[in-house]
Amino acid sequence: GEDVEQSLFLSVREGDSSVINCTYTDSSSTYLYWYKQEPGAGLQLLTYIFSNMDMKQDQRLTVLLNKKDKHLSLRIADTQTGDSAIYFCAESISDSWGKLQFGAGTQVVVTP
Amino acid sequence: DSGVTQTPKHLITATGQRVTLRCSPRSGDLSVYWYQQSLDQGLQFLIQYYNGEERAKGNILERFSAQQFPDLHSELNLSSLELGDSALYFCASSASGGENEKLFFGSGTQLSVL
Repeated sequence: GEDVEQSLFLSVREGDSSVINCTYTDSSSTYLYWYKQEPGAGLQLLTYIFSNMDMKQDQRLTVLLNKKDKHLSLRIADTQTGDSAIYFCAESISDSWGKLQFGAGTQVVVTP
Repeated sequence: DSGVTQTPKHLITATGQRVTLRCSPRSGDLSVYWYQQSLDQGLQFLIQYYNGEERAKGNILERFSAQQFPDLHSELNLSSLELGDSALYFCASSASGGENEKLFFGSGTQLSVL
């Protein structure tokens, strides 16, 4: 996913907030997604945001989108040990019939 | 459980061999996607099918081919395997493959080429 960039690692203490950042390049992307991958499992869709929105909140998850800077972030409030996983940012590719371009993933480790 | 089933979960084979990976999409989903996940390349889109027809092609090698059958299950065929083909291959499905289609991923097939 050379067009979508993420930091590779994040360590956070249990109970704190986690913030995972992502930059993308396709300014015509209509939707941006966050997926979670736990060991031995597939990718699970966590949330997504439409490009005309600045923010979306879903329980402990908050997605912020800065379209001008092509920057997307995922905030996880009250991070739990079960949140330890790899988080992927993905952008929809315009005119691509659902194809997604993924970032390299951010490994989040939650420590007690 | 995403509802997408991939078999086998693990596959170990030798260079030069040919393997077939199978995917059953979620009930009602018409579109199937194949992705390859490797340490050096990350998640790479390979190919997409919609209702039996190829819809989009990504970084898929000529040695690889796929198809989607009338019952909507899909197979990814990998031939003349090389060491570098070792990776986790994911199948995903969506309702119709349009914009803002939520992709549901299977657990993947871990391919090891020795």
